[in-house]
Amino acid sequence: AQSVAQPEDQVNVAEGNPLTVKCTYSVSGNPYLFWYVQYPNRGLQFLLKYITGDNLVKGSYGFEAEFNKSQTSFHLKKPSALVSDSALYFCAVRDVGFQKLVFGTGTRLLVSP
Amino acid sequence: NAGVTQTPKFQVLKTGQSMTLQCAQDMNHEYMSWYRQDPGMGLRLIHYSVGAGITDQGEVPNGYNVSRSTTEDFPLRLLSAAPSQTSVYFCASSYTGGEDGNEQFFGPGTRLTVL
Repeated sequence: AQSVAQPEDQVNVAEGNPLTVKCTYSVSGNPYLFWYVQYPNRGLQFLLKYITGDNLVKGSYGFEAEFNKSQTSFHLKKPSALVSDSALYFCAVRDVGFQKLVFGTGTRLLVSP
Repeated sequence: NAGVTQTPKFQVLKTGQSMTLQCAQDMNHEYMSWYRQDPGMGLRLIHYSVGAGITDQGEVPNGYNVSRSTTEDFPLRLLSAAPSQTSVYFCASSYTGGEDGNEQFFGPGTRLTVL
């Protein structure tokens, strides 16, 4: 069965500093991996995805993520955090060939001025 | 395109009442799904559908029914509401063809309180 772990409930970072939000996954086959962001009282918005190919994936709002097959990780990164990046971030995975998407428990990112 | 729409935005029910949460999408997506979001538990899949007339259970289906009579609509029914069903409910849809990963598009959510 697919599963996703986001080990940190909250990540705090100062504006202008780099940020990392961690995600590890487990699937039986090859994974499709996703990051979504949720702002207060809003639905989830798609940020980026890994399908195949280059391990470094670039997405919306300057975010990127690195796929590491040996460590089964897909950490979200941004070189320079903004206060407006403060939100709830979800990692998700699905097996290739299946449609069901499994989400992590979410990580709250707080960027201080 | 309106994307994925959900109604109502907020709802308060008494224990034992029934109601239907509406979800519609105008992107001609085959796949639609319902999630509930609870603090510290992320999003959990309730039911999903891979096309009109086809539905299946997710992780937490008990207490909920779904049907898919058209591609556009995927209503979620609570037959006899319980306080444990207090949550925020999200509907999502995606294309199923191709090999591009098919990210899901989410609606704005319905905040349900059961007293």
